[in-house]
Amino acid sequence: AQSVTQLGSHVSVSEGALVLLRCNYSSSVPPYLFWYVQYPNQGLQLLLKYTSAATLVKGINGFEAEFKKSETSFHLTKPSAHMSDAAEYFCAVSDPGAGSYQLTFGKGTKLSVIP
Amino acid sequence: DGGITQSPKYLFRKEGQNVTLSCEQNLNHDAMYWYRQDPGQGLRLIYYSQIVNDFQKGDIAEGYSVSREKKESFPLTVTSAQKNPTAFYLCASSSGEGYYNSPLHFGNGTRLTVT
Repeated sequence: AQSVTQLGSHVSVSEGALVLLRCNYSSSVPPYLFWYVQYPNQGLQLLLKYTSAATLVKGINGFEAEFKKSETSFHLTKPSAHMSDAAEYFCAVSDPGAGSYQLTFGKGTKLSVIP
Repeated sequence: DGGITQSPKYLFRKEGQNVTLSCEQNLNHDAMYWYRQDPGQGLRLIYYSQIVNDFQKGDIAEGYSVSREKKESFPLTVTSAQKNPTAFYLCASSSGEGYYNSPLHFGNGTRLTVT
């Protein structure tokens, strides 16, 4: 069965510092991977997705993520944090080998940006 | 603009009452989903539908029911059998083309409080 682990339920960074949000997955075959962002009292928005075309995926708002098969990881990064990046971030996996296309979400990482 | 509309944004009910949450989309998407979000728990799938007049149980379907009579609409009923219904409910849709890598589009959620 597919699963997603996000290390750190809460991450704090200073404005202008590197953002690194960690995501590890388990899957029987190379999966499809997604990062979503959620602002308070809103739904989720897609940041980026990995679908095997390239290991480094660029998303919106300056975020990017790198797929590392050997580490089963898909960490999200941004070189310089902005106050508007404060939100909750969810990693999700879709595993074609599981026989069901439903997404499995991690528990989320809340990002705080300190001025 | 195309999107997903969930109503109402906040809903209050007494214990023992059934309540129906509305979800409408004008994205012409085939697939629709209901998720439940609790703090620190990520998103858990309640029900999903790939086509009109057909739907499947997700991971936590007990105490919930859905219908899919129209492509645009996927209402969720929280019944009195749901033991802990207070939560944030999110509706989503996807195009269905290549289900595994189709990103989800989310509504802004309904926060249900049952006392």
